[in-house]
Amino acid sequence: NAGVTQTPKFQVLKTGQSMTLQCAQDMNHNSMYWYRQDPGMGLRLIYYSASEGTTDKGEVPNGYNVSRLNKREFSLRLESAAPSQTSVYFCASSSTQGSDTQYFGPGTRLTVL
Amino acid sequence: SQQGEEDPQALSIQEGENATMNCSYKTSINNLQWYRQNSGRGLVHLILIRSNEREKHSGRLRVTLDTSKKSSSLLITASRAADTASYFCATLWNTDKLIFGTGTRLQVFP
Repeated sequence: NAGVTQTPKFQVLKTGQSMTLQCAQDMNHNSMYWYRQDPGMGLRLIYYSASEGTTDKGEVPNGYNVSRLNKREFSLRLESAAPSQTSVYFCASSSTQGSDTQYFGPGTRLTVL
Repeated sequence: SQQGEEDPQALSIQEGENATMNCSYKTSINNLQWYRQNSGRGLVHLILIRSNEREKHSGRLRVTLDTSKKSSSLLITASRAADTASYFCATLWNTDKLIFGTGTRLQVFP
């Protein structure tokens, strides 16, 4: 039982490049989330998926797209990376949306030059 | 921003001392959660307190909630070096999303 897994762990991009961050959970959770964490800012919600087949914007969605591929997987795409997207990205899942306990992956550290 | 705020931003104590950190939030809630983050790792859920509860315990953790003041506190008793981490409170925003505060960095010296 791996919980929430994320790939890659580290990534360096040049401005304008694209990439997809992968997230998978094996807890049969309905809801999944993508956050970014910047120094002194705590976590900010980028997008979330309350259930398979649905996605919604969070607090800071600009510059990102998501895909809920199936119940297990939720990917985050940067179409044209910008230095402002340098951050640590965390994926999380919960049994249901809202105020349920969330389980976090180990994070992806992304640097955009 | 709907984020809550933790206070203090940083706290340094000796092993064996108690650590208290506070969280203030802006909207009405149905529960408040506390999470811990070790350096370079993801967040780990510690405890959840519902809006109709005033105090909750879990091992060395004690959480209080004052909905009239929109605030919560997390007390770690008899702290250990392994408690060194950042601690975040989280509240519900717009009925379906958790919003995390900016965190308290706790350093416990042996």
